Amino acid sequence: TQLLEQSPQFLSIQEGENLTVYCNSSSVFSSLQWYRQEPGEGPVLLVTVVTGGEVKKLKRLTFQFGDARKDSSLHITAAQPGDTGLYLCAGSNYGQNFVFGPGTRLSVLP
Amino acid sequence: DAGVTQSPTHLIKTRGQHVTLRCSPISGHKSVSWYQQVLGQGPQFIFQYYEKEERGRGNFPDRFSARQFPNYSSELNVNALLLGDSALYLCASSIQLGPRNEQFFGPGTRLTVL
Repeated sequence: TQLLEQSPQFLSIQEGENLTVYCNSSSVFSSLQWYRQEPGEGPVLLVTVVTGGEVKKLKRLTFQFGDARKDSSLHITAAQPGDTGLYLCAGSNYGQNFVFGPGTRLSVLP
Repeated sequence: DAGVTQSPTHLIKTRGQHVTLRCSPISGHKSVSWYQQVLGQGPQFIFQYYEKEERGRGNFPDRFSARQFPNYSSELNVNALLLGDSALYLCASSIQLGPRNEQFFGPGTRLTVL
């Protein structure tokens, strides 16, 4: 059974600070996605990474896929209150058998 | 274009009852997946359908079943509801299967079992 772990589980920071959250597995995935979820809503796709070592940037968010395609990180620069939410990583193999991590709950205080 | 839609948005049932949840994928998407998300946890995979065929099944009891229709919409059925079935049920659609497959989620159906 493939499992994804995320750390930290909870993170509370001040506006303007930088942060990194991690997604780790002992299994290899063909792709990995990051989502952000607001309370009571469905997850919103932020990025998909497929190549080992791949780095993608989305404004203040930087995503990296590990060389072995087993882990990933999300770095946020100068966090804003609007970044508050649950950040989920999900791995899949060729579009099947999506596995989600438990999420990192981020709170950015003004 | 409309995103993934789900109905109903909220549902209250009692133990032992049956429930049917519905999902309409993004136009052109042929794959639909269902997830259960219990409060405080990440989504747990229940089923995936592609071109009306079941392509994956998570670790859920036989009380859970699903199907996909010719227009690619889908239903999730849960029989003999238990208190522990209370959760947010999410539907996600994707164009096809493949290495860069991306899923897009609907707003979910909040099921409460009393």
